[in-house]
Amino acid sequence: AQKITQTQPGMFVQEKEAVTLDCTYDTSDPSYGLFWYKQPSSGEMIFLIYQGSYDQQNATEGRYSLNFQKARKSANLVISASQLGDSAMYFCAMREGPQAGTALIFGKGTTLSVSS
Amino acid sequence: KAGVTQTPRYLIKTRGQQVTLSCSPISGHRSVSWYQQTPGQGLQFLFEYFSETQRNKGNFPGRFSGRQFSNSRSEMNVSTLELGDSALYLCASSQGAQGANVLTFGAGSRLTVL
Repeated sequence: AQKITQTQPGMFVQEKEAVTLDCTYDTSDPSYGLFWYKQPSSGEMIFLIYQGSYDQQNATEGRYSLNFQKARKSANLVISASQLGDSAMYFCAMREGPQAGTALIFGKGTTLSVSS
Repeated sequence: KAGVTQTPRYLIKTRGQQVTLSCSPISGHRSVSWYQQTPGQGLQFLFEYFSETQRNKGNFPGRFSGRQFSNSRSEMNVSTLELGDSALYLCASSQGAQGANVLTFGAGSRLTVL
């Protein structure tokens, strides 16, 4: 079974609109971390936001927020007020357990296209 | 503050050859990890080094190896290249490896095997 599932291969949104990118995860470890990264066409992975499994509040970083629903095992990324520069591939990733170190498990990604 | 630097950015090899990729982490970061990205398999963890010791390894054959030097710089080597090794190889560094420690990635080395 996939550990990280991103069901939306592609999403299309207009500038200034909000968009939600879906991510569900599967783990039996009570301690885990969830990350979202953005990968523009240049290839570099850019960190966006982090949520720990014990964090009580949803993480926010500027225009990015993470809608963390632990019981449903979902960690959706919400981008408010989309910009043209947000067009990129977005990856959800999980660090599963304290022994995982830097071994993140990535989903297949969602391509976001923002139009004017 | 300089980011993670990977060299070379692009390279072309033929089957059977070997390749070495280099990664310079952010100053002060002691953990370096490597990932392979392909269209078919996506992003997959290769290995992690911390203080010159391999701490974690992904599910890759022994042809894939790496090392870390005392200045935290890291290299990965792929021997006896196969067509399927064509990929973007990403290096990431972090201060530690637990909790909210964020991986900062380099721009990658794109390897094409002919």
